[in-house]
Amino acid sequence: QVQLVQSGAEVKKPGASVKVSCKTSGHTFTAYYVHWVRQAPGQGLEYMGWINPDSGDTSFVEKFQGWGTMTRDTSINTVYMELSRLTSDDTAVYFCARADTGDTAFHIWGQGTMVTVSS
Amino acid sequence: QSVLTQPPSASGTPGQRVTISCSGSSSNIGSNTVNWYQQLPGTAPKLLIYNNNQRPSGVPDRFSGSKSDTSASLAISGLQSDDEANYYCAAWNDSLNGPVFGGGTKLTVL
Repeated sequence: QVQLVQSGAEVKKPGASVKVSCKTSGHTFTAYYVHWVRQAPGQGLEYMGWINPDSGDTSFVEKFQGWGTMTRDTSINTVYMELSRLTSDDTAVYFCARADTGDTAFHIWGQGTMVTVSS
Repeated sequence: QSVLTQPPSASGTPGQRVTISCSGSSSNIGSNTVNWYQQLPGTAPKLLIYNNNQRPSGVPDRFSGSKSDTSASLAISGLQSDDEANYYCAAWNDSLNGPVFGGGTKLTVL
């Protein structure tokens, strides 16, 4: 079945960068956009952006432009999301998710990656 | 502060029917479809309703969704104890070029 498996928890110091991976399986890697959503402790869901694994095109919402990067490695069916200049406000669980073609709903989610930013 | 507005909490007893509301604007719910997610503590969200009222395979028909103008609702009938979770509405937002979410509603089964 379709699965998104993310990398493990990270602890970073303020000002550092973090790179989270999301390995997909069970579907054609290049056929589906991968989206990123984060959730701060005890808070709601916040959309970050998407990557087209086929072309490599990406789009971050305005808040993350300039300090967020998404890439992919088609040889291992994996997408990456990197955030730089981390602050304590970036402490959150980061999820990757997949929507079906032509759909805006996220049918499949990764298990989440906890990123803690602390000095 | 979330773009979509949900009540922070809701409750019901086993077997009851509960509804959760979600209010937005013309740039999100008013012009795009609504999706609902269920999130149990410590887990990833699970898609419950998509395209306003469609259920993914495996979601019981106790869960239903509706939309009118710039508002939407999730209804859960025959409430069960394992329905205790946080529920989030979401809709694509034209100006964001991405979905916006409600703040979430914590459902308690008394």
